[in-house]
Amino acid sequence: AAGVIQSPRHLIKEKRETATLKCYPIPRHDTVYWYQQGPGQDPQFLISFYEKMQSDKGSIPDRFSAQQFSDYHSELNMSSLELGDSALYFCASSPKRPGTGYNEQFFGPGTRLTVL
Amino acid sequence: GQNIDQPTEMTATEGAIVQINCTYQTSGFNGLFWYQQHAGEAPTFLSYNVLDGLEEKGRFSSFLSRSKGYSYLLLKELQMKDSASYLCALYNFNKFYFGSGTKLNVKP
Repeated sequence: AAGVIQSPRHLIKEKRETATLKCYPIPRHDTVYWYQQGPGQDPQFLISFYEKMQSDKGSIPDRFSAQQFSDYHSELNMSSLELGDSALYFCASSPKRPGTGYNEQFFGPGTRLTVL
Repeated sequence: GQNIDQPTEMTATEGAIVQINCTYQTSGFNGLFWYQQHAGEAPTFLSYNVLDGLEEKGRFSSFLSRSKGYSYLLLKELQMKDSASYLCALYNFNKFYFGSGTKLNVKP
């Protein structure tokens, strides 16, 4: 079965550089979520999209932006990178619109970002 | 916040049963989910509860009591591959709130 695809899997950047992470949801999933997981920490919700519109916003820094495209893939753009941005970034997709009682999320393998 | 609490780490023996607890403080939520996460990998869905009671899925069961602000994940017939972190997550409207996770060590 098709799963969530994230690219790249690993990314090394230097401080103050920019990075773009991509997420391709499972076919026919129109909801995408982004999470950041620092070393030894739980995943923190960043932002979500439903039908190409921002659905909700969590603890996403102003230096980050994201969007969902017409083919439902999503990109997380990160600028002025800081050492503290080093983390695993997970994308998850769901077949249901946000706010429904049951909304299982299927996680991608994650992108490991290292900022030097 | 949701103030989700889980034990940091637990150890159990292969073949045994282990219960991982999760307590929370929130005014309301749509559902409570349990995820398994191996180090460096994505969380994978295990079980969820919307209503109070026990949900069973093979070796894994999850229980919820909304009135007590309490859930647990029960793992039976433990296998070495069950060594992982287990995340309790509340789903409220558009997003998940994850607990800090419980690292389970399964020993022979």
